[in-house]
Amino acid sequence: AQSVTQLGSHVSVSEGALVLLRCNYSSSVPPYLFWYVQYPNQGLQLLLKYTSAATLVKGINGFEAEFKKSETSFHLTKPSAHMSDAAEYFCAVSDPGAGSYQLTFGKGTKLSVIP
Amino acid sequence: DTGVSQDPRHKITKRGQNVTFRCDPISEHNRLYWYRQTLGQGPEFLTYFQNEAQLEKSRLLSDRFSAERPKGSFSTLEIQRTEQGDSAMYLCASTLATLHTEAFFGQGTRLTVV
Repeated sequence: AQSVTQLGSHVSVSEGALVLLRCNYSSSVPPYLFWYVQYPNQGLQLLLKYTSAATLVKGINGFEAEFKKSETSFHLTKPSAHMSDAAEYFCAVSDPGAGSYQLTFGKGTKLSVIP
Repeated sequence: DTGVSQDPRHKITKRGQNVTFRCDPISEHNRLYWYRQTLGQGPEFLTYFQNEAQLEKSRLLSDRFSAERPKGSFSTLEIQRTEQGDSAMYLCASTLATLHTEAFFGQGTRLTVV
């Protein structure tokens, strides 16, 4: 079974400050890992994904994440927060060998950006 | 291509009524997924189709829930005898059944059972 833990249901940062959203996963097999962003009353948009290639993954809107197997982590970072980054962020894991590619999500972290 | 579309966006229903939601995936995508998202939680997998075949159902999908994808294109999710606990956002996603492929999500249908 797979699971995702996102540390911190709410994170507040000042505009221009570093964004760090934490994600730890549990998986019995080498996983695929994803970060999605959700704006209010909207669906989910993929920010970036790790699929066993480079461990440092760059995504859209200046976000990146690093896969650390020893720490079972996939934390999301952005050097400088913008007001438009305020949203909810979900980390997700899938088992590439399962065939279904279904995603198991964390509970999400709501990011607030303070002007 | 307009992406994954879901209809309706919002639905308010009385407890005990039946509701049906529709999802139109991206046209060339052969896989379609349904997820449910309750307040303060991440989306949870319900079921998925490859073409018209329903290949997996979560234990969350009680016998009051039924999903179809009759011609391998659009899909419907029906909830019979709705309960207040069914209130949630129902999300549809589609993808191609190949590795490394992104799942594209619709904007969801928000169900409120009163």
